[in-house]
Amino acid sequence: DAGITQSPRHKVTETGTPVTLRCHQTENHRYMYWYRQDPGHGLRLIHYSYGVKDTDKGEVSDGYSVSRSKTEDFLLTLESATSSQTSVYFCAISSPGQGNEQFFGPGTRLTVL
Amino acid sequence: SQQGEEDPQALSIQEGENATMNCSYKTSINNLQWYRQNSGRGLVHLILIRSNEREKHSGRLRVTLDTSKKSSSLLITASRAADTASYFCATDSLSGYSTLTFGKGTMLLVSP
Repeated sequence: DAGITQSPRHKVTETGTPVTLRCHQTENHRYMYWYRQDPGHGLRLIHYSYGVKDTDKGEVSDGYSVSRSKTEDFLLTLESATSSQTSVYFCAISSPGQGNEQFFGPGTRLTVL
Repeated sequence: SQQGEEDPQALSIQEGENATMNCSYKTSINNLQWYRQNSGRGLVHLILIRSNEREKHSGRLRVTLDTSKKSSSLLITASRAADTASYFCATDSLSGYSTLTFGKGTMLLVSP
């Protein structure tokens, strides 16, 4: 998976609890992305980062925050998880000048009860 | 909202047959990409076609792009059981920072 790891790979949590998902890359790519994948909706962009401390919202950012303090790490936080955030979350990376070909991590399956 | 929409949603064929998937999009683009996703895995980039290209080949893959119709097709020739996966098109936009919008995907089943 192109030097991208996600942790945890599976998580079950209760409604109202905070959850942080981690994406770690060893490729030194400038751009990092968080997506969620749900049946019937395909892949939707939550947040992305175009550099350390530089982030922006995607299509479905409500209820999520992100942080990027180092090039290699991009954290996705659900401040207060809800059942509608049950999903599979994918991290991706890319570099400018390569047509924005994105490389994906293995995914995190999150279940909010 | 989804930029790309794949058609059909599901496709079932026999090994050796060709598989064609289509993608339509709404706004002008720089590039269009196709990705494959095996069950339970992340997406894998297959091929990129630029807006000034009409056709591109990579092994058994052939991609076409018609910017006047805002559509693309992915042809997999001589399909194998290992081609069983979901296939997604993804488009960028003419502005902004390297974000892609993915379609909902076509699920391809290739039976031996």
